[in-house]
Amino acid sequence: GNSVTQMEGPVTLSEEAFLTINCTYTATGYPSLFWYVQYPGEGLQLLLKATKADDKGSNKGFEATYRKETTSFHLEKGSVQVSDSAVYFCALSHPGGSEKLVFGKGTKLTVNP
Amino acid sequence: GAVVSQHPSRVICKSGTSVKIECRSLDFQATTMFWYRQFPKQSLMLMATSNEGSKATYEQGVEKDKFLINHASLTLSTLTVTSAHPEDSSFYICSASRSADWEKLFFGSGTQLSVL
Repeated sequence: GNSVTQMEGPVTLSEEAFLTINCTYTATGYPSLFWYVQYPGEGLQLLLKATKADDKGSNKGFEATYRKETTSFHLEKGSVQVSDSAVYFCALSHPGGSEKLVFGKGTKLTVNP
Repeated sequence: GAVVSQHPSRVICKSGTSVKIECRSLDFQATTMFWYRQFPKQSLMLMATSNEGSKATYEQGVEKDKFLINHASLTLSTLTVTSAHPEDSSFYICSASRSADWEKLFFGSGTQLSVL
């Protein structure tokens, strides 16, 4: 079945460090891929998405490229800030346009000043 | 942006009691709402899909008689955990979608249920 695997956390970085959170997926067909972020005390928010191979999603300095050949959608940011501290979830939607999402386990990021 | 309010954020109850969790879309009409649960260090798992005015669709392995879902209006869905037991302790999250933008879901902040 469809599944998402993302790197185990927690991840702790210093401000301005480079961030990578790995995400790989297993799916039949061609899913859409998402990164969601959950700040403390808030609901999950869509951070970025990509709907087809080689698409790059970007938002707030974060980027992720849909790599079909490696079935990956790694999240990157060149210089993290303290305000980026949150839990990040990689997700895919079932091919065919379903609203159902399959999530990874989440990766907690803490950025220290 | 669109806001989904989930209440309560935390609840502790005794084994055998029932607990109701509310999910409200505050500034849009949500034709579809989703309920998830998350165990520590595990993924969010979809429990059921709730459509306004119709019965919820439950995922395989989810007991519909234990997890009652009601979506009586376009802005409110409720999840009732009936006769709760310690193994039902978990983090429950709802999400809502606007029919016109299905790829963008709006999530509640979650409810931590602890059953003693």
